[in-house]
Amino acid sequence: GDSVTQMEGPVTLSEEAFLTINCTYTATGYPSLFWYVQYPGEGLQLLLKATKADDKGSNKGFEATYRKETTSFHLEKGSVQVSDSAVYFCALLQGAQKLVFGQGTRLTINP
Amino acid sequence: EAGVTQFPSHSVIEKGQTVTLRCDPISGHDNLYWYRRVMGKEIKFLLHFVKESKQDESGMPNNRFLAERTGGTYSTLKVQPAELEDSGVYFCASSHRGHRYNEQFFGPGTRLTVL
Repeated sequence: GDSVTQMEGPVTLSEEAFLTINCTYTATGYPSLFWYVQYPGEGLQLLLKATKADDKGSNKGFEATYRKETTSFHLEKGSVQVSDSAVYFCALLQGAQKLVFGQGTRLTINP
Repeated sequence: EAGVTQFPSHSVIEKGQTVTLRCDPISGHDNLYWYRRVMGKEIKFLLHFVKESKQDESGMPNNRFLAERTGGTYSTLKVQPAELEDSGVYFCASSHRGHRYNEQFFGPGTRLTVL
């Protein structure tokens, strides 16, 4: 079945460092891909998405490019802030409505 | 506009007891989903309602879990009897009905601990 694999955390960086969180997927066809973020005490929020190959999703300085040749959707940010500390989930859309998530990566940014 | 709300935020029960989780979706959203995250692993789909009808319940782990959405508004997820492996965070999400994918808006989750 469809699955998503994320790099294991936790990840700890200093403020202004470059961030990469790896995400690869296994799926039939070309599903839409997503990154969700969960800030402390809050629900999951959609961070960005890409619906077809070579699409680049971006939001709040984060970017991810849909790479079908490597079945990847890595999350990147050039300069992280303390406020980016959260848990990040990569996901794909199975069928029309069901989200399949990775295991999540906890990110901590130190000032 | 209020977001998706879930009650309670935390629940601690003993093995064999019953627990009922509640989800109030965003007003006007026909689609309602339940997911759960167990032991820090991936978030897994449990089921999907369209209004009051179960569209897909393929993720429900066993018959100890019962989800309802009477009237097509709020939903409840009952676990009876609870087992240790049911501990985790239960998320609810809702989306507006449409022909294409519509963003799923998530609630903060209910953290269930079974002792």
